[in-house]
Amino acid sequence: RKEVEQDPGPFNVPEGATVAFNCTYSNSASQSFFWYRQDCRKEPKLLMSVYSSGNEDGRFTAQLNRASQYISLLIRDSKLSDSATYLCVVRQNAGGTSYGKLTFGQGTILTVHP
Amino acid sequence: GAVVSQHPSWVICKSGTSVKIECRSLDFQATTMFWYRQFPKQSLMLMATSNEGSKATYEQGVEKDKFLINHASLTLSTLTVTSAHPEDSSFYICSVTTSGGAMRNTGELFFGEGSRLTVL
Repeated sequence: RKEVEQDPGPFNVPEGATVAFNCTYSNSASQSFFWYRQDCRKEPKLLMSVYSSGNEDGRFTAQLNRASQYISLLIRDSKLSDSATYLCVVRQNAGGTSYGKLTFGQGTILTVHP
Repeated sequence: GAVVSQHPSWVICKSGTSVKIECRSLDFQATTMFWYRQFPKQSLMLMATSNEGSKATYEQGVEKDKFLINHASLTLSTLTVTSAHPEDSSFYICSVTTSGGAMRNTGELFFGEGSRLTVL
């Protein structure tokens, strides 16, 4: 089983649609969770961190369910510019002053069309 | 502006040659840098963790003698792909993190622009 699993899609939605991405992780000791966005042939960029209480940033809402080891990202009112690959990222807790390893999901491809 | 600069952005080389990729932290001193590799339609895979002034820590399955990492200063890490072969063709991306504080707490990494290597 992969450490971080995502539905690769692709998701093809019209402008204005609401779309949801899911992600599961296998390591229950995982400490931090993120959604990154990667445009074609570009580096990933942080979209948002994911907190247990759930968090929202404009049209984007992220949620974490530690019991189910499940992370989600909801995009409302999709824009053409939202077309990209969305990466679910999980960080292990290395402890002390060390940085835990980041593990990336394979990404979910989103295409928003007019 | 960019936080991390990676060079070259793309390179084409003949099989058997060595290629060096540079990763520079522009805005802060980076005690730790990470090197990732991404094959087409796949996710980023961590290759190694580069620590300033010490040997890099390689992930399982990554040959340290083939992928040489040097982190001689707090702002520069280099990855050298030695005796490159077509199967080494990939997108190589570095990322940086600071020595502490907010970066560690948020977990955000800043990525370089990536280097696309094509070995003929």
